[in-house]
Amino acid sequence: DAMVIQNPRYQVTQFGKPVTLSCSQTLNHNVMYWYQQKSSQAPKLLFHYYDKDFNNEADTPDNFQSRRPNTSFCFLDIRSPGLGDAAMYLCATSRDPRAPARGEQFFGPGTRLTVL
Amino acid sequence: LAKTTQPISMDSYEGQEVNITCSHNNIATNDYITWYQQFPSQGPRFIIQGYKTKVTNEVASLFIPADRKSSTLSLPRVSLSDTAVYYCLVGDLWNTGRRALTFGSGTRLQVQP
Repeated sequence: DAMVIQNPRYQVTQFGKPVTLSCSQTLNHNVMYWYQQKSSQAPKLLFHYYDKDFNNEADTPDNFQSRRPNTSFCFLDIRSPGLGDAAMYLCATSRDPRAPARGEQFFGPGTRLTVL
Repeated sequence: LAKTTQPISMDSYEGQEVNITCSHNNIATNDYITWYQQFPSQGPRFIIQGYKTKVTNEVASLFIPADRKSSTLSLPRVSLSDTAVYYCLVGDLWNTGRRALTFGSGTRLQVQP
């Protein structure tokens, strides 16, 4: 089945130690998104790629970076995780949002990050 | 940004119809309205999307009045498995200025037997 896969599902890191979360998709979608979701809060968009075009949200901290080496993969790098970065990180994809469907997003299961 | 407001929680019983309203007073011309369902420890799942009037699919209906300042997700005959958080999402990344997508705060629906 076509899907959005996130690895690992659970990640533990130490304060200040860089960590990378990965996302892959078999949907061949042009757009990939990274969201941060803290406990009992709504998902918050960090950035997205439209093909290789990177789009950062204005309030996304510089501590968060992303790479998309090809259509299928996208990575979230947290350069120096703080305690406040502990959250669920969700990857999502969509077709070209200019298509009639206007960008229904398909979400992965998420990676829960713990910062010690 | 199109700020959205939803009730924090709702309770219902199996077999009832549930209507969840989302307010989005400053919705922009190009913005679409999308609803997602999220179970604990899972990613959100698309339910329905619309621009104006009424949209219906196999799981829900979406009612959008002419002024588009609110929308109502209608779930017919809910079951226990509909217990989840429901998010209203308003926005369109692809108009001028690349407006952000904004999730509402979410409505926690609890369905009782």
